[in-house]
Amino acid sequence: GAGVSQSPSNKVTEKGKDVELRCDPISGHTALYWYRQSLGQGLEFLIYFQGNSAPDKSGLPSDRFSAERTGGSVSTLTIQRTQQEDSAVYLCASSLTGGNNQPQHFGDGTRLSIL
Amino acid sequence: QQQVKQSPQSLIVQKGGISIINCAYENTAFDYFPWYQQFPGKGPALLIAIRPDVSEKKEGRFTISFNKSAKQFSLHIMDSQPGDSATYFCAASLETSGSRLTFGEGTQLTVNP
Repeated sequence: GAGVSQSPSNKVTEKGKDVELRCDPISGHTALYWYRQSLGQGLEFLIYFQGNSAPDKSGLPSDRFSAERTGGSVSTLTIQRTQQEDSAVYLCASSLTGGNNQPQHFGDGTRLSIL
Repeated sequence: QQQVKQSPQSLIVQKGGISIINCAYENTAFDYFPWYQQFPGKGPALLIAIRPDVSEKKEGRFTISFNKSAKQFSLHIMDSQPGDSATYFCAASLETSGSRLTFGEGTQLTVNP
């Protein structure tokens, strides 16, 4: 596809369950970012990948959150033992490189609801 | 903590009017300032961006004004149209931090026909 693809688009799960969110970046983009958008809030940075490595994980809110990227392409964000405060839209973005002259292109997000 | 403050939270403009959204930042090391537009159910889309060595940038009906000494920047939408109704986010980033974006809180713009 031409854009950043995220799946699932919606996820409803019970408190305490684990969830996996997937991001397919634009082909050839080496930089990948995860952000979280809570209801009525701005976007909050979670983690940044350059290739398969994550030089900046500082935005992950707790050790229940983890992410990986394989083959320099697909990334998964995993939330273990979900809590109600994890309910949000999780957005993925990619850019050609991690440099400032490259715009970040966003997917449409995964809307996560914790019951 | 690196922060970007955005105002107003919501804005209503008549068709053909000028929409103005303001942002202020704290970290003088920020070196890239983009604006994103977001429609309901969609991800943010880059509208226009500016670097601190330029005081103004214009693309079509959208203009960014940048005041480095005041640590402020603003988005002006000229001849606002109902199709411009969306949420707008300002952001800032720092190349040495991998260009992670720090976002403002967002402005919900409504353009009445």
